[in-house]
Amino acid sequence: EPEVTQTPSHQVTQMGQEVILRCVPISNHLYFYWYRQILGQKVEFLVSFYNNEISEKSEIFDDQFSVERPDGSNFTLKIRSTKLEDSAMYFCASSELAGAYNEQFFGPGTRLTVL
Amino acid sequence: AQSVSQHNHHVILSEAASLELGCNYSYGGTVNLFWYVQYPGQHLQLLLKYFSGDPLVKGIKGFEAEFIKSKFSFNLRKPSVQWSDTAEYFCAVKDRGSTLGRLYFGRGTQLTVWP
Repeated sequence: EPEVTQTPSHQVTQMGQEVILRCVPISNHLYFYWYRQILGQKVEFLVSFYNNEISEKSEIFDDQFSVERPDGSNFTLKIRSTKLEDSAMYFCASSELAGAYNEQFFGPGTRLTVL
Repeated sequence: AQSVSQHNHHVILSEAASLELGCNYSYGGTVNLFWYVQYPGQHLQLLLKYFSGDPLVKGIKGFEAEFIKSKFSFNLRKPSVQWSDTAEYFCAVKDRGSTLGRLYFGRGTQLTVWP
């Protein structure tokens, strides 16, 4: 069964450093998402991506964040200058279709720790 | 904006006990409703979903949920839990009018089942 994969599973970085979180969506999916969950808080939507463009982003997704699909398989989330409050579990998801009736398939997450 | 509340942060049960996890949402429009589960070390998986029709929906592994529109609730139930149900459970909603399908999650409920 095809799955969304994410690497690394755990990333530790120093405050101010850049990090890139990687995701490989399911191969025939066209819509991609990033969510995050700060420890003890809700899973929050960050951004959705379709046709090489951001479709929607939340208020959390500020200029420090960017997303890219550098090739036909990877979907990356970059944080340019990490802050302590960026420490969270980051989930990538993909779906074949858009809209309220689609099912999003999630990866296992990357735990980001900013020191 | 949507808001999803899960009342129980951590539930501890013995095997064969019955389970009910609460989920309430606040939104003025029509929503689609989801329960996701995350087993230790694994990705978020869809447990069940409600779009329309019979408000009692059945999902995988013996789980079911009931949509009560008047209470804005979508509680998850299982008559008899097993040790393998130990996981984190997330309630989520989508605006039915959404073209992109952004999910709004609750905080999650950690379920621990003792053998």
